Amino acid sequence: GENVEQHPSTLSVQEGDSAVIKCTYSDSASNYFPWYKQELGKGPQLIIDIRSNVGEKKDQRIAVTLNKTAKHFSLHITETQPEDSAVYFCAATPYTGGGNKLTFGTGTQLKVEL
Amino acid sequence: EAQVTQNPRYLITVTGKKLTVTCSQNMNHEYMSWYRQDPGLGLRQIYYSMNVEVTDKGDVPEGYKVSRKEKRNFPLILESPSPNQTSLYFCASSPRRRGGYNEQFFGPGTRLTVL
Repeated sequence: GENVEQHPSTLSVQEGDSAVIKCTYSDSASNYFPWYKQELGKGPQLIIDIRSNVGEKKDQRIAVTLNKTAKHFSLHITETQPEDSAVYFCAATPYTGGGNKLTFGTGTQLKVEL
Repeated sequence: EAQVTQNPRYLITVTGKKLTVTCSQNMNHEYMSWYRQDPGLGLRQIYYSMNVEVTDKGDVPEGYKVSRKEKRNFPLILESPSPNQTSLYFCASSPRRRGGYNEQFFGPGTRLTVL
């Protein structure tokens, strides 16, 4: 089955700096890569996703890049703000017929310091 | 308000005492899943359901049961809980749409402690 590795496990940045979280996956058939943000005491929430036919996607201050050859994808947050402090999870799935079979990474605790 | 609800939010129990964690969604989603979250291990899928009466094992199904008798509900059953099932549990639902790439909507979580 799919295996997703995520680094770093913790990341501390100064407000206004950029943050980058990296993930690698093992199954070359994976074709959908979402990122979820989990705030303290809440369930994860989708913030951005990318499909395998796209190399990069951007939504305001967040962007995701995908390198299919190397089987890795990254989350980039620019101009970080205190409200960006949370746990971030990457995920991957090779399923094309719908369903919920997502494999998640182990999470990155991002702390944005004032 | 569209949401996934879980009950209870917190539960402390003892080894061997059967328990059920309920999950309900009001978005008419076909797909539902249960995950457990443990430090350093991320989110791991326990069971998932693609529709009423259709369930399948995820990555860590041992010690758990589920049922999907109604579209909106997907309870997680621990027949004989053990301390290694102490964890944070999340229920999630997602719609079935063409293309197969569906956002999962998570509940608020249930913190379970088994003594």
